[in-house]
Amino acid sequence: DGGITQSPKYLFRKEGQNVTLSCEQNLNHDAMYWYRQDPGQGLRLIYYSQIVNDFQKGDIAEGYSVSREKKESFPLTVTSAQKNPTAFYLCASSIRGSRPDEQYFGPGTRLTVT
Amino acid sequence: SQQGEEDPQALSIQEGENATMNCSYKTSINNLQWYRQNSGRGLVHLILIRSNEREKHSGRLRVTLDTSKKSSSLLITASRAADTASYFCATDASSASKIIFGSGTRLSIRP
Repeated sequence: DGGITQSPKYLFRKEGQNVTLSCEQNLNHDAMYWYRQDPGQGLRLIYYSQIVNDFQKGDIAEGYSVSREKKESFPLTVTSAQKNPTAFYLCASSIRGSRPDEQYFGPGTRLTVT
Repeated sequence: SQQGEEDPQALSIQEGENATMNCSYKTSINNLQWYRQNSGRGLVHLILIRSNEREKHSGRLRVTLDTSKKSSSLLITASRAADTASYFCATDASSASKIIFGSGTRLSIRP
């Protein structure tokens, strides 16, 4: 059963704490992406990785960090520097990173910081 | 940076009617995609149309692309309650390695 898994589904943290969101794929895709979605809004790109051990900033990278040590995994850390971290976070992958076609999405993690 | 913009922002129709959503974008593209998102879930890819294509069908979905007007439309025929969702267009810039999503159309199907 191939796909993308994100865990946990819901996450609660206190302000000032770093938190890491998990994203794993078994689709053998080269590229992986992290998006943020606020209520009633579209998706905004945080970071993306076209290949292992390489990643690029998206449109809203400030306050976030990522790593891509394995092809299957692309964890996202929301740091205390992110001023408004409460949001719905979506991870996606695509077969290739260059001129990507279809993206496959995980079920998302809803992060609430109080 | 916003590449695609959907119109309308929200659409409510009776079950059985057709639903049409539009997407406009700013720069030249290689392809344009449409995705669906049920409330609180991840996005699901619906259809991809390349810049050299004008129309594409998939089941009850029909997508058109007009590169001269930088616009696309998604038509869902014979709508069903299960079609209630948000629909997003996504475009790539010709030289980009990422795709950019619009803000979406929220479609509600009334029984």
